[in-house]
Amino acid sequence: KQEVTQIPAALSVPEGENLVLNCSFTDSAIYNLQWFRQDPGKGLTSLLLIQSSQREQTSGRLNASLDKSSGRSTLYIAASQPGDSATYLCAVKLAYQLIWGAGTKLIIKP
Amino acid sequence: KAGVTQTPRYLIKTRGQQVTLSCSPISGHRSVSWYQQTPGQGLQFLFEYFSETQRNKGNFPGRFSGRQFSNSRSEMNVSTLELGDSALYLCASSQAEGRVTEAFFGQGTRLTVV
Repeated sequence: KQEVTQIPAALSVPEGENLVLNCSFTDSAIYNLQWFRQDPGKGLTSLLLIQSSQREQTSGRLNASLDKSSGRSTLYIAASQPGDSATYLCAVKLAYQLIWGAGTKLIIKP
Repeated sequence: KAGVTQTPRYLIKTRGQQVTLSCSPISGHRSVSWYQQTPGQGLQFLFEYFSETQRNKGNFPGRFSGRQFSNSRSEMNVSTLELGDSALYLCASSQAEGRVTEAFFGQGTRLTVV
């Protein structure tokens, strides 16, 4: 059974710092991995999608990596800003569904 | 291009009642999935539809059902509501039949059962 774990559960850093969020999964038989952002009481915003054959994807200040063999993905946020404060979730794609981590709640202090 | 639209945004229902939630996917997207999000259980998969066919169903009781119409719009229904059904219900749409496509989510429907 696929399980997805995100560490840490919460993170508070000063503005301007670079930071890394971690996601691990137990079964490497995935189609892709997606990182999402969720603001309080809101839906999910897709940040990055990494196909199973890819090693990393970049969008602006965000960079996500994928190591299927070790069952790990990281989301790197450069030069963090208060507007980055949100919960970040990773999800792995199986045949017809996403399996989710519990999320990392990120607070960027001005 | 409009995103995924879920209606209504908020609902308050009484135990024992039933409820229907609606999801309109991004134009051209044929796959629609539903997820339940609660503080205790996180995000859990409910079901996925493609071209009006349910392809997969999560581990939820039969009180949870859904359907997809020929225009790809989807509805989910919960009968005999319980307090534990209070949650944010999220709908996702994907473009193609392929399993590698990106999922896009709506803003969700917040259901409160009292």
